Amino acid sequence: QTVVTQEPSLTVSPGGTVTLTCASSTGPVTSGYYPNWFQQKPGQAPRALIYSTSNKHSWTPARFSGSLLGGKAALTLSGVQPEDEADYYCLLYYGAPQPWVFGGGTKLTVL
Amino acid sequence: QVQLVESGGGLVKPGGSLRLSCEASGFTLRDYYMSWIRQAPGKGLECVAYITRDTSTVYYADSVKGRFTISRDNAKNSVYLQMHSLRAEDTALYYCARDLNWNVDYWGQGTQVTVSS
Repeated sequence: QTVVTQEPSLTVSPGGTVTLTCASSTGPVTSGYYPNWFQQKPGQAPRALIYSTSNKHSWTPARFSGSLLGGKAALTLSGVQPEDEADYYCLLYYGAPQPWVFGGGTKLTVL
Repeated sequence: QVQLVESGGGLVKPGGSLRLSCEASGFTLRDYYMSWIRQAPGKGLECVAYITRDTSTVYYADSVKGRFTISRDNAKNSVYLQMHSLRAEDTALYYCARDLNWNVDYWGQGTQVTVSS
């Protein structure tokens, strides 16, 4: 059973920088896992932020960036805004028999 | 604009069945892989079913294998999730999402499934 691990919670000050990570139980995360990142606020559906490691959607704020860092996928928020307080989920692609596996999510608090 | 609208959720007794629908608009459904993703109350996201563009291949999470069936009708711009032998642990908000070249971009707003006696 593949497990994708994220930090359960992180806290950042407004204007600060924070990096969320996403690790795979199968080994180092590479671009071949096509990491996707999503933001979810209470009562809302998840919103896509990043795909294929570092590509942004047209609606993704510039302060969000994706990368690979130390064998993990990473989402960095630079110049954090209060509205960035949310849950963040990564998604990795494994192919058959279970193509997509989500991380457990990171609750980001802006304080 | 791109829209995915789920329907068919509701309250069902353990052992019962439901059929969820996801109606797509604003894009050509046949060009996309599609997934059903669920979120139990206060929990994270789980991809429970996945279907390729031409329906040639489907995948299921172990938690639903043998009980859920994903299907699609590209002519009707719809994706379905037939759920049988429902359990309390299937209680969740069920989303559909589209995927092209490993880019999961648009999600619906979800439909609630509650399994309780």
